[in-house]
Amino acid sequence: ETGVTQSPTHLIKTRGQQVTLRCSSQSGHNTVSWYQQALGQGPQFIFQYYREEENGRGNFPPRFSGLQFPNYSSELNVNALELDDSALYLCASSLGGQGFIRTYGYTFGSGTRLTVV
Amino acid sequence: AQKITQTQPGMFVQEKEAVTLDCTYDTSDPSYGLFWYKQPSSGEMIFLIYQGSYDQQNATEGRYSLNFQKARKSANLVISASQLGDSAMYFCAMREGLKAGGYQKVTFGTGTKLQVIP
Repeated sequence: ETGVTQSPTHLIKTRGQQVTLRCSSQSGHNTVSWYQQALGQGPQFIFQYYREEENGRGNFPPRFSGLQFPNYSSELNVNALELDDSALYLCASSLGGQGFIRTYGYTFGSGTRLTVV
Repeated sequence: AQKITQTQPGMFVQEKEAVTLDCTYDTSDPSYGLFWYKQPSSGEMIFLIYQGSYDQQNATEGRYSLNFQKARKSANLVISASQLGDSAMYFCAMREGLKAGGYQKVTFGTGTKLQVIP
């Protein structure tokens, strides 16, 4: 059983640019959540995708958007990058519904470290 | 109000000793779950232990145990026989009741950095 893989591992972008981060979910998982973790902070929920639709969103502006594909992999897109977007972006996959409880929640990837200069 | 509060930014523990990492939570939902995750410098969040709000006994997983005091809304992590490899950030997190449509937001605390001293 493969875990969650994220790409790229590191990325440097210029303010105002756009970025796409990718996540392959764990085999058998149908839900993907994205988190932003600023240095020295806990992860902050961005949004969640379940069966290819966004079904929950945290306090992030619309320039943060995403997709989930039929194989349950996912992308996080950020437009008009700002310096404060510099962070570790974590993807977590899980089963929906009661499966979330039985499997104790998320399986996380190692993250993409984004630096905006 | 903070959903998850971890009041210890950093902790030191001697190798082979036990250590307790504090976590308090705030929810009005009767059905919730509490998690502890370990995050080494590599960045990956590693699941350690889970406690459901209706679980009668405190959760244990090897050297990890969760001291769940529901009335006080606390869920402290106890690590016994600390090892050098335990040095990492530790996050307490909470899942509140399953939302309509399968929305499963998990809220994290700010973390505690544990350093194990040889």
